[in-house]
Order: sequence, then structure tokens, then C-alpha cells
Amino acid sequence: DTEVTQTPKHLVMGMTNKKSLKCEQHMGHRAMYWYKQKAKKPPELMFVYSYEKLSINESVPSRFSPECPNSSLLNLHLHALQPEDSALYLCASSQAGTGYTEAFFGQGTRLTVV
Amino acid sequence: GQQLNQSPQSMFIQEGEDVSMNCTSSSIFNTWLWYKQDPGEGPVLLIALYKAGELTSNGRLTAQFGITRKDSFLNISASIPSDVGIYFCAGQYFRGGSEKLVFGKGTKLTVNP
Repeated sequence: DTEVTQTPKHLVMGMTNKKSLKCEQHMGHRAMYWYKQKAKKPPELMFVYSYEKLSINESVPSRFSPECPNSSLLNLHLHALQPEDSALYLCASSQAGTGYTEAFFGQGTRLTVV
Repeated sequence: GQQLNQSPQSMFIQEGEDVSMNCTSSSIFNTWLWYKQDPGEGPVLLIALYKAGELTSNGRLTAQFGITRKDSFLNISASIPSDVGIYFCAGQYFRGGSEKLVFGKGTKLTVNP
């Protein structure tokens, strides 16, 4: 099973709302990633968790707050977003500790901020 | 930071033709990955390459990890309409106790029946 499951698939939220994106994998991977992808652009790295600890934050605004409650789950909490934050948000996972590993992606959450 | 130069940016081909795309970088990567992405979906892993010089096939797809660890190519033979999509290369490395995966800008493939 190489499945990474993201929910919801679509999300529309107002600029004053608080919402969360969820990601789950059961491959035993200990590295999990959040990416943001705008139309016709490649995915851009936002956060990396390694062994449930935040290891990389690519200078992401604080209105995006990641959380890794356990080795299978990754959340992205959203608060006070701007319309320019509308994008496809992708979760990925891989083995950790080597850099010699496959990374698998979920199908993404299409976020629209109104 | 690490950057990947992927080319061509787009390709328009006839069904049955072969396709080649490549990625280069000034940085060394541990792993090269090739993905295909359909509109509104997440990238799907096609091929993973781990060793310099490695040549790997997956059906009609063939990819190679450059000997310098700074480049990779992907070939698609006998293209079919369902090959349409955006193909991304990605390089993975390990730095500061964490994995990082960076992407090329993508090659948009159009296949005319």
C-alpha cells in the first residue's frame, strides 16, 4: 500500500475562518511533507516533519500551522488566510534519515480562500 | 538553494512517437524521482533512481541517473493519449537532519491521437 490520504479534497473558506487539512499514511514512513502548488507551477516545499518533529519550515507565514500528532498523521491548521493562499495543498511521505527514498503524494486539497 | 532545470517546458507529439525530457542541476542529489501529474491531482511516482549511472525501466518508461549525480532523463516510448499530463523531475537530498525534495518546473506533454 503506497497510499497517502488527504482530506478534504476541496475546501472553501473565508478569510476569518479556521480550518484544518488532514493527511494520513500507513507505510511506516517517518518523514512527512506539506507542499503548496499554484496553477502551472511545481510543488513548493512548506514544511518537513522527521520522526514527528518539525525539521524544516521554509519561511512559511504563521497563518499556516503544521502539526504531526503521531507517525501516521499530519495536519495543517489554517487561520486568517488571504485569497493568494488559494492553491492545491499536497501532503507527501517517505522514509526518514537517509535521503535515498521514494516520496509518495496524496491527491491534494484544493483550497479556495474567499 | 538547490534548483532543477527541466526541459523542454512543453512538448506536442503524435501518438506512437517517443519522448525525451531531462533535468539538470548544479547540485548533487541522492535520489532522482520522476512524477506525472494530472490536473487537480497529486503527483504520481513513476520511477525512482538511487545510484549514479543507474538505468531503470517501468513499462514504456526509461530513466537514468546521471553519472555526476547532477542530472537525469526520462524517456517514454510509443506514446499513447493517456500519457498526456505534466511530468516533474525531483531531486532528494539529506541535509541538517532532514530530507528535502525539490522539483523541476515540469514538462507538459500533449499527445495527438
